[in-house]
Amino acid sequence: DIQMTQSPSSVSASVGDRVTITCRASQDVTNWFAWYQQKPGKAPKLLIYGVSFLASGVPSRFSGSGSGTDFTLTISSLQPEDFAIYYCQQGKTLPTFGQGTKVDIK
Amino acid sequence: EGQLVESGGGLVKPGGSIRVSCAASGLTINNVWMSWVRQAPGKGLEWVGRLISKIDGGTTDYAAPVKGRFTISRDDSRNMMYLQMNNLKTEDTAVYYCTIVTTLGALDSWGQGTLVTVSS
Repeated sequence: DIQMTQSPSSVSASVGDRVTITCRASQDVTNWFAWYQQKPGKAPKLLIYGVSFLASGVPSRFSGSGSGTDFTLTISSLQPEDFAIYYCQQGKTLPTFGQGTKVDIK
Repeated sequence: EGQLVESGGGLVKPGGSIRVSCAASGLTINNVWMSWVRQAPGKGLEWVGRLISKIDGGTTDYAAPVKGRFTISRDDSRNMMYLQMNNLKTEDTAVYYCTIVTTLGALDSWGQGTLVTVSS
């Protein structure tokens, strides 16, 4: 299995801050890579697919970058509705997820 | 855009069985790849298995912890997917979500989930 490791596991930030979350894959996943947002009591929501493509309806303050084994999710200006847990996922082989990064209020 | 609704969760004893369902609307399930993902209470996301579209072979794949115990199937006439879970263990306690596999393996159109609790 391809292991996905996110960092940090949690981050405290304020509205308007720039937030960056990283994800490292144990093997090259090329561009078979996605990010998800999950709010308490809700199903996960696809944010970004193919490393950098925003899913439908996702605000442009979210962006993704990277290739191969190292990937980054950036929120350019954190909004109140962005406080959530974020997961990365590879789809190159049988899917695996990162352990999640909680973004909470500073 | 497709919509998925899970049902059938509940309380089951260790060693028991349960079948959860995923009803699809706005899409035809035999034309798409679909996955089950679970989330234990307070934990992260874990991929469970997938059902490949009929045109791509219609086969299934499973994660190691559930292989041999869980079976994914599809009823095209009802546009539904199922997850049959046998020989359940306490560690199978989770919310089970069905999703559509889209571009480059991303998972979209998540249902609201159904809770399966395995406890004596």
